[in-house]
Amino acid sequence: AQSVTQLGSHVSVSEGALVLLRCNYSSSVPPYLFWYVQYPNQGLQLLLKYTTGATLVKGINGFEAEFKKSETSFHLTKPSAHMSDAAEYFCAVSVGNTGGFKTIFGAGTRLFVKA
Amino acid sequence: NAGVTQTPKFRVLKTGQSMTLLCAQDMNHEYMYWYRQDPGMGLRLIHYSVGEGTTAKGEVPDGYNVSRLKKQNFLLGLESAAPSQTSVYFCASSLPRTSGDEQYFGPGTRLTVT
Repeated sequence: AQSVTQLGSHVSVSEGALVLLRCNYSSSVPPYLFWYVQYPNQGLQLLLKYTTGATLVKGINGFEAEFKKSETSFHLTKPSAHMSDAAEYFCAVSVGNTGGFKTIFGAGTRLFVKA
Repeated sequence: NAGVTQTPKFRVLKTGQSMTLLCAQDMNHEYMYWYRQDPGMGLRLIHYSVGEGTTAKGEVPDGYNVSRLKKQNFLLGLESAAPSQTSVYFCASSLPRTSGDEQYFGPGTRLTVT
């Protein structure tokens, strides 16, 4: 069975600082990995995804994530935080099974950006 | 192209009342989902559907029923609301491909049960 762990329910950074949001997963088969972002009072929207191929994945708004199989991690980073990045971020793992896919979401990490 | 829409956006119910949440998508997606979001618990899957006329239970199905009579619509029903069902409800849809299950979310319905 797969699972997703996001380390830290809250992360606070200063504007211009590095953003690092951690995600570890467990899966018995090669997973597909996603990061979603949720702005206040909105639904989730896809930030980036890893399927196959290059392990460094670039997403929208300057975010990127690296798939490290040996560490079962898919951490999200952004070199320089902007006030508009303040949101909640969800890591998700999806694996194929009979009848389709099963997707599990992490508990989320709320990012605060200080001026 | 509206994507995924949900109605209503807000609702307050008294314990024991019933209601139906409507989700509609115009992307011709096969899969649809209902989640609830509670503080510190992320998203929990209530029910899902892999096609018109089919539904299946998710992680927390008790107290909810669903129907998918048309491909574009997925209804979530609460027959007898309880305070524990106070939550934000999200509908999502996807067109699962060999490259995974990228989901598209609606804006949510905030439900309060008093």
